[in-house]
Formats: sequence, structure tokens, C-alpha cells
Amino acid sequence: NAGVTQTPKFQVLKTGQSMTLQCAQDMNHEYMSWYRQDPGMGLRLIHYSVGAGITDQGEVPNGYNVSRSTTEDFPLRLLSAAPSQTSVYFCASSLSGYGIYEQYFGPGTRLTVT
Amino acid sequence: AQRVTQPEKLLSVFKGAPVELKCNYSYSGSPELFWYVQYSRQRLQLLLRHISRESIKGFTADLNKGETSFHLKKPFAQEEDSAMYYCALRGGGGGSNYKLTFGKGTLLTVNP
Repeated sequence: NAGVTQTPKFQVLKTGQSMTLQCAQDMNHEYMSWYRQDPGMGLRLIHYSVGAGITDQGEVPNGYNVSRSTTEDFPLRLLSAAPSQTSVYFCASSLSGYGIYEQYFGPGTRLTVT
Repeated sequence: AQRVTQPEKLLSVFKGAPVELKCNYSYSGSPELFWYVQYSRQRLQLLLRHISRESIKGFTADLNKGETSFHLKKPFAQEEDSAMYYCALRGGGGGSNYKLTFGKGTLLTVNP
């Protein structure tokens, strides 16, 4: 199993550009989520999905879109990049969104917006 | 709303000393609590969860509902324990059941 994979590893964007961060998992997990990690802020939930076709907002959804057309993939779209979106982005998945299930994290994408 | 507080950004101890990473939470129902760890240049990974009542790598954590705390403890720290530690909570009614809320993290450094 590859687990949770993310591409790209690094990305530099100019203000106003758009891009998609890719996330895929091969564990047949129902639940997938996106976090951003900023110094001193911990991990903050951007969007999550409890299954194909179902997504919802997390704590900091503004400026980001998601969709979940398959169980395996959960891309994160930046519509018009802003310097405030400079961060490290982590995708995670778990068997279920409920209760005690462990979340498995991807390696992260380091995004810089100039 | 659910909230997780880790009061220490940085914690530095010497090898062999006891270590305690503090975690307090705010949540009205029955929480599910976790500790995640991120070693240098590695992925974030689960260390332990309260419901398992397990000891992993010598670490334990006890849920204290009266004090709303879930502190992580290890009696004798090792240099390889140096990492960023995050306390996390899942709970709530309705849609918030799906949200895993993280604290801001504590960077533990174990000095030789």
C-alpha cells in the first residue's frame, strides 16, 4: 500500500494564480480531509469528506474548494492564491470519520504564494 | 465548540528525565482524544488514543474528565522522543462528529 500520497511536494505560486493539490489513498477509506499547518497555529481543518460525493467545510474553508468524485481522490483547489495561503498542506484519511479511527497523513505539500 | 489547548509551545528536558506534555480540552460531550507525533522529516502519525489505554514507546496518557485534560507522560525521556506533539479531539453532535480538532502543538527537545 502506498497509503496517502500528495502531489506536488513543493509549489510556488504568484498571487491570483489557481492550482490543485492532489491527494490519493489506496486504503479504501471513507473519510478524507485537508489541513493546513502554520507555525504556532497547529493543524487547522480546511475541508473534509465522509464519502464519495459528500464534502463539508472545516475551520478555515475560505479560498479553497474540494470535490470527491471517487473514494480514492480528494483534490484541494486554490481558486485565486493569496500570500495568506502560504502554508504546508496535509491530506489525511481514515476508515471512518467517527470516533476512534486513526487518521493517516500524507507527506505534505509546501506552498509559497508570492 | 470543541477546543484543544496545549499551553507549552516548547519543552526541553534532559535524557532520562520525566516528561509531561499538557493538553486541556473544551467539549461538552464524551470526547475521543488522541496524541499525534511528527518526527523530523516524517509524516504526522498517531501515537496513542485514550480509548486504547495503551503505552506506546513508553508514553501514556490518561483522560481526566474532571479536569478536562489528557496529558502525555513518559517517565524517562530519550533523545529519539524529540518531535512535535499534537493533542487532538474528535467529538460533538451531528456534523462535528467528523471534525478532528488539533492543538497548536508542543515541540519537545530531549537533550543528551
